[in-house]
Amino acid sequence: GAVVSQHPSWVICKSGTSVKIECRSLDFQATTMFWYRQFPKQSLMLMATSNEGSKATYEQGVEKDKFLINHASLTLSTLTVTSAHPEDSSFYICSARKQGGLDTGELFFGEGSRLTVL
Amino acid sequence: SQQGEEDPQALSIQEGENATMNCSYKTSINNLQWYRQNSGRGLVHLILIRSNEREKHSGRLRVTLDTSKKSSSLLITASRAADTASYFCATGYSSASKIIFGSGTRLSIRP
Repeated sequence: GAVVSQHPSWVICKSGTSVKIECRSLDFQATTMFWYRQFPKQSLMLMATSNEGSKATYEQGVEKDKFLINHASLTLSTLTVTSAHPEDSSFYICSARKQGGLDTGELFFGEGSRLTVL
Repeated sequence: SQQGEEDPQALSIQEGENATMNCSYKTSINNLQWYRQNSGRGLVHLILIRSNEREKHSGRLRVTLDTSKKSSSLLITASRAADTASYFCATGYSSASKIIFGSGTRLSIRP
């Protein structure tokens, strides 16, 4: 199998606090993980590409100081939403590609994390 | 825009009927993939078709790809209530090693 675990599945926080979301590949190694953001009834917007051992590559318009990404190991990437504000409320989804897989091959998704900032 | 376009945005059909969703994209691709998302959940990979393929089948799913028109279609035959979900096409670009998602089609199957 290829299981990706995302935690927490939902979180509510006060404005101004930081929230960390973890994405783990449970039964495979993932050199590349992707973080997406999804608004209700909309598509997934790629935020950044997370590469193990190197800095994340952010998409245009995504603030890297706002959304800190760390890919410390081949099985774990974290997204930290710093100084969260209500407009950061969203559904955040991570995905991972198996090590050695086709560069643009199949992605395995976590179940998503719903962030609500009060 | 990152996204490709999908149509229809929403589709409601009777159980047992076939459902067809279309996807168009903008630039040359390495492959095109279709994913399914149940409400509030992660995405599940359905099928991948490479740029040199024209048609692919998987169970009740049939995917076509027309690179000259930069479009793809997903056909679900003999639909079931459990097929109710959002369906997204996603395009892979070898130059960037990332996958970009289309706008999605919300499919509802009426029992």
